[in-house]
Amino acid sequence: KNEVEQSPQNLTAQEGEFITINCSYSVGISALHWLQQHPGGGIVSLFMLSSGKKKHGRLIATINIQEKHSSLHITASHPRDSAVYICAVRNNAGNMLTFGGGTRLMVKP
Amino acid sequence: EPEVTQTPSHQVTQMGQEVILRCVPISNHLYFYWYRQILGQKVEFLVSFYNNEISEKSEIFDDQFSVERPDGSNFTLKIRSTKLEDSAMYFCASGPTGLQPQHFGDGTRLSIL
Repeated sequence: KNEVEQSPQNLTAQEGEFITINCSYSVGISALHWLQQHPGGGIVSLFMLSSGKKKHGRLIATINIQEKHSSLHITASHPRDSAVYICAVRNNAGNMLTFGGGTRLMVKP
Repeated sequence: EPEVTQTPSHQVTQMGQEVILRCVPISNHLYFYWYRQILGQKVEFLVSFYNNEISEKSEIFDDQFSVERPDGSNFTLKIRSTKLEDSAMYFCASGPTGLQPQHFGDGTRLSIL
C-alpha cells in the first residue's frame, strides 16, 4: 500500500512570498496529482504529472521519480491561493488514487 | 466549461436508512469515480467505474455500497443501510480516460443521525 506524506501540514505566508509544498510516497507510481480543495470543500485538479515539471500560471509542479518526491510551488502568492493542497498518487496497477493528508495554506495580505 | 454536478449538496438521513447520492459526470467522459472524505481526514478512494462495470474498488466499498449508471448520464452511489460512520463528504469525479486528470464535483455532505 502506498503511503503518501505531505509537508508542511499547515503553512502561513505573506502575500508575494514563494511557497513550496512537498509530497513523498513509498511505492512506485504511474502518475501524481496535485489538487486544490477550497474552504467550501470543492476539489479542483491542478496538475497530473508522471515525470519532469509542469507550469500553469503561477503554479509549478515537479516530480522526481527516483526519489519518490514531488513539489508544488506557488510564485507571487496571493490571498486567493489560500486553500488545502492535496497530493494524490496513482499506483502502477489500476486507476485508484491514494491521497496525502493535505497542506493547509493561508496567504495573508 | 463542462462540470461534474452532484445532488443534493447536503443529505441528512436516519441511521439504517438507504441513501442515494447522484452525480452527472461530464458528458464525453468514460471513467467515473466516487471518493469520500470524513471530516478532518484524508480523501479516500471508494470505487471506479468503466464500461458499465466496477473496474476497481477499495476495502471501504463493501456490500453496503453499490454504484449504477442507470440512464447513460447519471452515476449514483447507493448506501443500503447507513451507519453513523458513513457521515462524510462524498465526491464524484469523471475523466475522459483512466490516464487523464479527473474532474471533481463539489461533493455531497452526508450526515447520518
